[in-house]
Amino acid sequence: NAGVTQTPKFRILKIGQSMTLQCTQDMNHNYMYWYRQDPGMGLKLIYYSVGAGITDKGEVPNGYNVSRSTTEDFPLRLELAAPSQTSVYFCASSDTGVSTTEAFFGQGTRLTVV
Amino acid sequence: GEDVEQSLFLSVREGDSSVINCTYTDSSSTYLYWYKQEPGAGLQLLTYIFSNMDMKQDQRLTVLLNKKDKHLSLRIADTQTGDSAIYFCAESIGGGYQKVTFGTGTKLQVIP
Repeated sequence: NAGVTQTPKFRILKIGQSMTLQCTQDMNHNYMYWYRQDPGMGLKLIYYSVGAGITDKGEVPNGYNVSRSTTEDFPLRLELAAPSQTSVYFCASSDTGVSTTEAFFGQGTRLTVV
Repeated sequence: GEDVEQSLFLSVREGDSSVINCTYTDSSSTYLYWYKQEPGAGLQLLTYIFSNMDMKQDQRLTVLLNKKDKHLSLRIADTQTGDSAIYFCAESIGGGYQKVTFGTGTKLQVIP
């Protein structure tokens, strides 16, 4: 009963390095989301996807890229890491785009850029 | 833009009631949610309420909505140590989670 799985749980990056945060869900959900949470702030939407092959920007997309080649996977790519990207990242999925549908979240990835 | 505010921390004694408060700014909010995040886990939906409701009760949980003041609260009766977690308030104007605004989260500490 995995649900939404994120890897890694923790990562330290140097400025300018690149990395991919992995997100996989086994519930056959069409909708997937990436959020970031900065200290003392609410979750902010980075990117989302309504199905395989379809992605769209959220509120804070700059510095990130995503792809959705399969229903299960929704990786988030940081190309040139900056200290401003130090945050906790959450991936989520939902069965439909209806607001009364529950979103299922991964446990988060804590990223520090130094 | 939309904003959802919560106090960051709340401490209560086991057996007491906990009240976690949330204020939001978007008067067109249609759905309001409470999510719970236990240590090391992802956020989990506790409950949601439609904006045309004043109250929703589910076992030990009571959600109160004051739409005039844009104030949402979550009351946990007979708080247990297992209720220790971070509680997120969120609002939506409808149309899916890409339009959901989350609060900062309130960390609830239950003292035995």
